[in-house]
Amino acid sequence: GQQVMQIPQYQHVQEGEDFTTYCNSSTTLSNIQWYKQRPGGHPVFLIQLVKSGEVKKQKRLTFQFGEAKKNSSLHITATQTTDVGTYFCAGPSGYALNFGKGTSLLVTP
Amino acid sequence: DAGITQSPRYKITETGRQVTLMCHQTWSHSYMFWYRQDLGHGLRLIYYSAAADITDKGEVPDGYVVSRSKTENFPLTLESATRSQTSVYFCASSERVRGEAFFGQGTRLTVV
Repeated sequence: GQQVMQIPQYQHVQEGEDFTTYCNSSTTLSNIQWYKQRPGGHPVFLIQLVKSGEVKKQKRLTFQFGEAKKNSSLHITATQTTDVGTYFCAGPSGYALNFGKGTSLLVTP
Repeated sequence: DAGITQSPRYKITETGRQVTLMCHQTWSHSYMFWYRQDLGHGLRLIYYSAAADITDKGEVPDGYVVSRSKTENFPLTLESATRSQTSVYFCASSERVRGEAFFGQGTRLTVV
């Protein structure tokens, strides 16, 4: 079945540094979604990408969907302590979503 | 309040006991899901439902039972709890198939 892999598993940065997490699928995806989970919280939807090569921005967050629609990335510019959490990508699988294992981001001031 | 709510938030149970986790949503979303979250495994799908009385297995369904007699409720039952079912359980709903998922706050279950 479809596998969604995320790297890195963990990332520790100093506040102000940039951060990138990568998501790779074993199959072509019709779309990809990104979620953020704060420590002790629940996953919250960030964005959905649909088109090949699509790039979307949300303030300091930049999301990209690969040309082949098999990979995606989330880049955070100038991290802040509020960015702490785990970032998940998810690809459609049947009626549901298949989540990557996530990248946990720790930001130290 | 509108949204998706799970109960209880925390539960400790003994091995072999039956336990039911509740999930209620007020949006009338057709699709509902149960995921479990464990360190090193991310979110894994247990069961999903496409509508009332329509349910199907996900990636890790063994030891779990679901029902959906009403659109708004999707309870998850552990028939005979085992220590390996200690986890955080998230219920989610979606308006569209494979669309944006809205998650409940989770139930932290410990089986001793």
